[in-house]
Amino acid sequence: EAQVTQNPRYLITVTGKKLTVTCSQNMNHEYMSWYRQDPGLGLRQIYYSMNVEVTDKGDVPEGYKVSRKEKRNFPLILESPSPNQTSLYFCASSFRGSGSFDEQFFGPGTRLTVL
Amino acid sequence: GENVEQHPSTLSVQEGDSAVIKCTYSDSASNYFPWYKQELGKGPQLIIDIRSNVGEKKDQRIAVTLNKTAKHFSLHITETQPEDSAVYFCAASISGGYSTLTFGKGTMLLVSP
Repeated sequence: EAQVTQNPRYLITVTGKKLTVTCSQNMNHEYMSWYRQDPGLGLRQIYYSMNVEVTDKGDVPEGYKVSRKEKRNFPLILESPSPNQTSLYFCASSFRGSGSFDEQFFGPGTRLTVL
Repeated sequence: GENVEQHPSTLSVQEGDSAVIKCTYSDSASNYFPWYKQELGKGPQLIIDIRSNVGEKKDQRIAVTLNKTAKHFSLHITETQPEDSAVYFCAASISGGYSTLTFGKGTMLLVSP
């Protein structure tokens, strides 16, 4: 089944404790992206990647890191989480990038709480 | 950069009524406008999209219209059903390069039986 998977689905952590949210897609997509969803603010892009070893900042990159060492994986790293990073996170992928009319497929989401 | 405004933020209708959600965009270069539906506990899923060379597109009970001059586009759902209840997001992007999608803030649609 073609899908985007994220792990963990739920995470409660404390301020300053490094964490990684994994994202994997099995559709051979070139483009992958991370969004955060907050009430009243919609979906805001954190980072995106056009292909392996190519990443770029989105609208709200502060406090986050990403890497794209393999085509299928795009982990999101919070080196020192803070309470304002409490949010619902989505990973998405598409074949050639959002500018090419290609549908973005979203993962099921990761709900993160930082105490 | 692109800015997408979406209205209303919440919309309540009776089953069988029509629902309309409206979005405006700021960048006249944008030429791709998808709509996503997010059901409770799930990620957004594409339901329909439209390109700037088309004024209207229909798929069964849903349709999208685009007015390039006014820079706004709308989602129309006819004969609404309880399973249409969800959050709907509009988005805009520029094709031809690797531009990213800019999303509206979302509309929560509630369809009452």
